[in-house]
Amino acid sequence: EIVMTQSPATLSVSPGERATLSCRASQSVSSNLAWYQQKPGQAPRLLIYGASTRATGIPARFGGSGSGTDFTLTISSLQSEDFAVYYCQQYNNWPPYTFGQGTKLEIK
Amino acid sequence: EVQLVQSGAEVKKPGESLKISCKGSGYSFTNYWIGWVRQMPGKGLEWMGIIYPGDSDTRYSPSFQGQVTISADKSISTAYLQWSSLKASDTAMYYCARLIAARHLDYWGQGTLVTVSS
Repeated sequence: EIVMTQSPATLSVSPGERATLSCRASQSVSSNLAWYQQKPGQAPRLLIYGASTRATGIPARFGGSGSGTDFTLTISSLQSEDFAVYYCQQYNNWPPYTFGQGTKLEIK
Repeated sequence: EVQLVQSGAEVKKPGESLKISCKGSGYSFTNYWIGWVRQMPGKGLEWMGIIYPGDSDTRYSPSFQGQVTISADKSISTAYLQWSSLKASDTAMYYCARLIAARHLDYWGQGTLVTVSS
């Protein structure tokens, strides 16, 4: 099973600033990586797939990069609605498609 | 509009059985895999398994193999997740979601909260 490790566990950033979240895979997943956002009491929402392609309706301030084992989600200028938990997920190897443990993005 | 609507919250006792549902609409239900994801209280997301409603091909995560059963009834565009004997540790929110190209999850249900307590 591929283990996905996200860092940091919690990230404190001020509104308007840039946030950088990391995700590392225990073995190469090529570009088969997605990012999700989850707000309290809500289902997760797809942000990025293919490591760097924004899903429909996702603002341009969200950007994904990386391939192989190291990936980054960047939010260029944080808005109040961006404070949430973010998960990465690999879909290179089944079973299973694994999630990272999440990074909580909180207001500084 | 693509929608996945899940059945309502459940409160059960240990040892009881349960089947929760996920009804798809707004797309061709038989042409997309459906995945089930567990989220225990205050914890992250765990992939349980996937099913292709077109032919009921089902694949389980090793952690959930033998613990749950995933099924689908394509005639009513509904996928199911069931337990034969619940444990307190099954207390969690369960989400269904549609897979794109059997890969990532683009549309999610609202979640079904299952509480197992004596």
